[in-house]
Amino acid sequence: GDSVTQMEGPVTLSEEAFLTINCTYTATGYPSLFWYVQYPGEGLQLLLKATKADDKGSNKGFEATYRKETTSFHLEKGSVQVSDSAVYFCALAMNRDDKIIFGKGTRLHILP
Amino acid sequence: NAGVMQNPRHLVRRRGQEARLRCSPMKGHSHVYWYRQLPEEGLKFMVYLQKENIIDESGMPKERFSAEFPKEGPSILRIQQVVRGDSAAYFCASSSPGTSGFLYQETQYFGPGTRLLVL
Repeated sequence: GDSVTQMEGPVTLSEEAFLTINCTYTATGYPSLFWYVQYPGEGLQLLLKATKADDKGSNKGFEATYRKETTSFHLEKGSVQVSDSAVYFCALAMNRDDKIIFGKGTRLHILP
Repeated sequence: NAGVMQNPRHLVRRRGQEARLRCSPMKGHSHVYWYRQLPEEGLKFMVYLQKENIIDESGMPKERFSAEFPKEGPSILRIQQVVRGDSAAYFCASSSPGTSGFLYQETQYFGPGTRLLVL
């Protein structure tokens, strides 16, 4: 079945470091891809999304490019801040009215 | 413009009791999804509802769990005779019917969740 695999955490970085969180997917068709972020004690917020191959989603300095050839959607940020500490979920959905399939999440700690 | 609202935010139940979780979707949204997040896990889909209809309940446990989204009022996720393994965070998401075409997922907006603890 359709699934998402993302790198396990926790990931600990110093402030201003470069961030990459890897995400790959398995799907029978052409899914939409998402990154959600969950701050402590809160619900999920959509961080960015891409709906077709080669699309780049971006928001708050984060970017991810939909790579069909490698079935990947890696999350990157050039310079992380302490406030970026959270759990990041990679996810996919196949059709418009459909459930989202989530990865297990990657916990990110940014040290000052 | 209020977002997705869920209540209660925290719920404590003893084994065997019933838990009722409420979700009010964003204004203008008629699609509701329920997800469960176990500790240190990602979210798992449970059920997808439109007004007065269950569209997909493939993620719902076959016993003790039920969901509804009436014509008026919030969506309700009901867990009967709770057990310790039901302890989790339950998130509701909503979306609009969608205008961007069949292939593209309409953005689901998530509520803050209800954290259920079964003693």
